[in-house]
Amino acid sequence: AQSVTQPDIHITVSEGASLELRCNYSYGATPYLFWYVQSPGQGLQLLLKYFSGDTLVQGIKGFEAEFKRSQSSFNLRKPSVHWSDAAEYFCAVGAGNKLVFGAGTILRVKS
Amino acid sequence: DGGITQSPKYLFRKEGQNVTLSCEQNLNHDAMYWYRQDPGQGLRLIYYSQIVNDFQKGDIAEGYSVSREKKESFPLTVTSAQKNPTAFYLCAGGLAGEGTGELFFGEGSRLTVL
Repeated sequence: AQSVTQPDIHITVSEGASLELRCNYSYGATPYLFWYVQSPGQGLQLLLKYFSGDTLVQGIKGFEAEFKRSQSSFNLRKPSVHWSDAAEYFCAVGAGNKLVFGAGTILRVKS
Repeated sequence: DGGITQSPKYLFRKEGQNVTLSCEQNLNHDAMYWYRQDPGQGLRLIYYSQIVNDFQKGDIAEGYSVSREKKESFPLTVTSAQKNPTAFYLCAGGLAGEGTGELFFGEGSRLTVL
């Protein structure tokens, strides 16, 4: 069965520091991979997606993610975090005609 | 504005009552989805629909029902059979078919059972 694991429930980084959020997936075929962000009490906004091609994907708000097939990973990165990046981040894999989500990682930014 | 509109944003109900959450879209999406979100559990799929008058159960369909009489509308009913209905509910729309996946989400409805 398809699944997504986000090993870190909470991450705290200092403003201006770099960020990496981890995501591992389990899917038999070529995966379609996504990162979404959610502010408290809001819906989810798409940050970036990987369908095929270049394994380094650029997204909105300065985020990028790298697909590594050998490691079944799709980690999200940002070189310099801003206080407004504090939110919950979800990794997801497209499984047929639906999305399977990880449990999420809550990002806290300290000044 | 275009998008996915959910209502109400907050809803309170007594135990034993059914409640219906509204989801409307004007993005012309064939597919619509209902997810339930609980802290630390991510999003779990309740029901989805790829086309009008057709829908499929997701991973946690028990105690819920849906209808898809119009392309624009996909209401979710939380019935009294749902044992733990207090949660944040998210509706989404997207393209139908294999290999799709980019979903557009509403702002959610928070249901509290008193």
